[in-house]
Amino acid sequence: AQTVTQSQPEMSVQEAETVTLSCTYDTSENNYYLFWYKQPPSRQMILVIRQEAYKQQNATENRFSVNFQKAAKSFSLKISDSQLGDTAMYFCAFFTTSGTYKYIFGTGTRLKVLA
Amino acid sequence: GAVVSQHPSWVICKSGTSVKIECRSLDFQATTMFWYRQFPKQSLMLMATSNEGSKATYEQGVEKDKFLINHASLTLSTLTVTSAHPEDSSFYICSARGPQASTDTQYFGPGTRLTVL
Repeated sequence: AQTVTQSQPEMSVQEAETVTLSCTYDTSENNYYLFWYKQPPSRQMILVIRQEAYKQQNATENRFSVNFQKAAKSFSLKISDSQLGDTAMYFCAFFTTSGTYKYIFGTGTRLKVLA
Repeated sequence: GAVVSQHPSWVICKSGTSVKIECRSLDFQATTMFWYRQFPKQSLMLMATSNEGSKATYEQGVEKDKFLINHASLTLSTLTVTSAHPEDSSFYICSARGPQASTDTQYFGPGTRLTVL
């Protein structure tokens, strides 16, 4: 069975600084997708970034980028130039195309951006 | 694109009554919809997966007679909490995926906060 682990329950970062959130996963599948979702205080889940496992190039979306290490089964999220609006819960999620299309979520990392 | 709505955003009901929550995909056809429950400061717990026109598949431990899910059209799924009790109070979130949106990505609704008195 697949598992997703986020080992940092809480983190904080100064505004304009860079922060990295960790995520590791376990799977025997070769084809899968990884996601980072953001859940701000409004509790709306917002897709931050997605990564296809067959792509070696790390995904980037503006200030958000990932460090995808397939062999190590690691998928960290880097937030550059942190903004107050980045304060949220961040969830790492795993999805495999050979399964039942269910997401496996990590337990989340609560990020607070300090002014 | 890929917008999912939920209604109502919050609801308060008396113990023993039933509550229906609607989940709609506004700009794409959702062949599959998912219902999650989220407790405070915790991750999302998948309750069930529903495919349009067929019965929902419930996760282990979820009472199918208490949480009735209907996916009658490609844009609408409903979750009915029957004979609600205070322990059913929670935040319920739906998500959807479909062929016209990125098929590997789930798009989430804004959630519904249910309080049972």
